[in-house]
Amino acid sequence: ETGVTQTPRHLVMGMTNKKSLKCEQHLGHNAMYWYKQSAKKPLELMFVYSLEERVENNSVPSRFSPECPNSSHLFLHLHTLQPEDSALYLCASSQASWGGQGANGYTFGSGTRLTVV
Amino acid sequence: DAKTTQPNSMESNEEEPVHLPCNHSTISGTDYIHWYRQLPSQGPEYVIHGLTSNVNNRMASLAIAEDRKSSTLILHRATLRDAAVYYCILRAAYSGAGSYQLTFGKGTKLSVIP
Repeated sequence: ETGVTQTPRHLVMGMTNKKSLKCEQHLGHNAMYWYKQSAKKPLELMFVYSLEERVENNSVPSRFSPECPNSSHLFLHLHTLQPEDSALYLCASSQASWGGQGANGYTFGSGTRLTVV
Repeated sequence: DAKTTQPNSMESNEEEPVHLPCNHSTISGTDYIHWYRQLPSQGPEYVIHGLTSNVNNRMASLAIAEDRKSSTLILHRATLRDAAVYYCILRAAYSGAGSYQLTFGKGTKLSVIP
């Protein structure tokens, strides 16, 4: 375990379903991230939360809806997904400090393997 | 984030040292050099980072060229568990738009031969 826990590890859902991915960290970090990794493509940043406020949304379709109720938990709510949304969804956390991010490493979870049928 | 260039793949014999190169000719003076690796079926794992001086930790060493336009990740004795994709990433030190981005490229796939 890395300190970032993602559940479930695997998820199969139909295109009309609604599901949620959960991420939890107890590292004392105050920034959390959702990444998408499709087959044979680089990781793509989806959303960033810093101090529980969304600070970046990289043109992600509205069928993906993030939620960060506190600095330890992050959710990704899914509805009416498409088969091309099948991918590995990764959560990460880091310590967001005043003055910049460059010196801070990210801790990733093991991901949720999502299959949309 | 500025662009990095890495070889697509490399091979190493087990228990031999491995030098993974990264070119970043457009690096700015405030960019940190980060390395991550991703083992099969897992999320990326932080390996090491540095700014100007060479860095060592329990996992690896990072050698940074004097002009900072290239760096090398050094695994001192490769094991089968080191087989992974290794990513070299530049991170801006300052706050501001995009400063939260950790932009992954394709990385170098390292194979370790028993």
